[in-house]
Amino acid sequence: KNEVEQSPQNLTAQEGEFITINCSYSVGISALHWLQQHPGGGIVSLFMLSSGKKKHGRLIATINIQEKHSSLHITASHPRDSAVYICAVRSFMDSNYQLIWGAGTKLIIKP
Amino acid sequence: ETGVTQSPTHLIKTRGQQVTLRCSSQSGHNTVSWYQQALGQGPQFIFQYYREEENGRGNFPPRFSGLQFPNYSSELNVNALELDDSALYLCASSRGGTAKGKTQYFGPGTRLLVL
Repeated sequence: KNEVEQSPQNLTAQEGEFITINCSYSVGISALHWLQQHPGGGIVSLFMLSSGKKKHGRLIATINIQEKHSSLHITASHPRDSAVYICAVRSFMDSNYQLIWGAGTKLIIKP
Repeated sequence: ETGVTQSPTHLIKTRGQQVTLRCSSQSGHNTVSWYQQALGQGPQFIFQYYREEENGRGNFPPRFSGLQFPNYSSELNVNALELDDSALYLCASSRGGTAKGKTQYFGPGTRLLVL
């Protein structure tokens, strides 16, 4: 079992739908990252969370430390949101600050 | 195509780590310059190498260091990475001692993300 699990692996939705991507982890962490990777390969950091909830535009990220679970929500989804969304955690047991990566969720938003 | 190549194209590191970026100059060019371009900003000059010697430096701390090899390829090393080091790193090659007034040929850049 991977230390960081994302679901779903693939998600196709219609424009305007509310999107939820989930991330569960099994290690103690100091921070959790949500990243976006576009087909061209460029990776963008969306959020870094250690507790609670953050919002940026149509994106919302939440984390529940007790349940070791985080969600990324996209409201009013748009075709330009199509990308791979990756959850990564920083384990506080690792003095080298290595990130443990989820496998990613491939999101396709159809017009 | 400028003949200048950089590797890797993308890189993700965490705070405190070290990174090495590489640049292969255009054939016949003995001068290489490195630039840092933060999102939405213009490139900032880091330093320049001519014939394996540092030949000029911008306002960057010592944890930014470089090397130029006999074949004029070059490396940029950054130690103790900070979040603000996240940027596009560009190298540019030219012929001659100083790049001022000379055409610089830019590589495609390495996008570094520090988490």
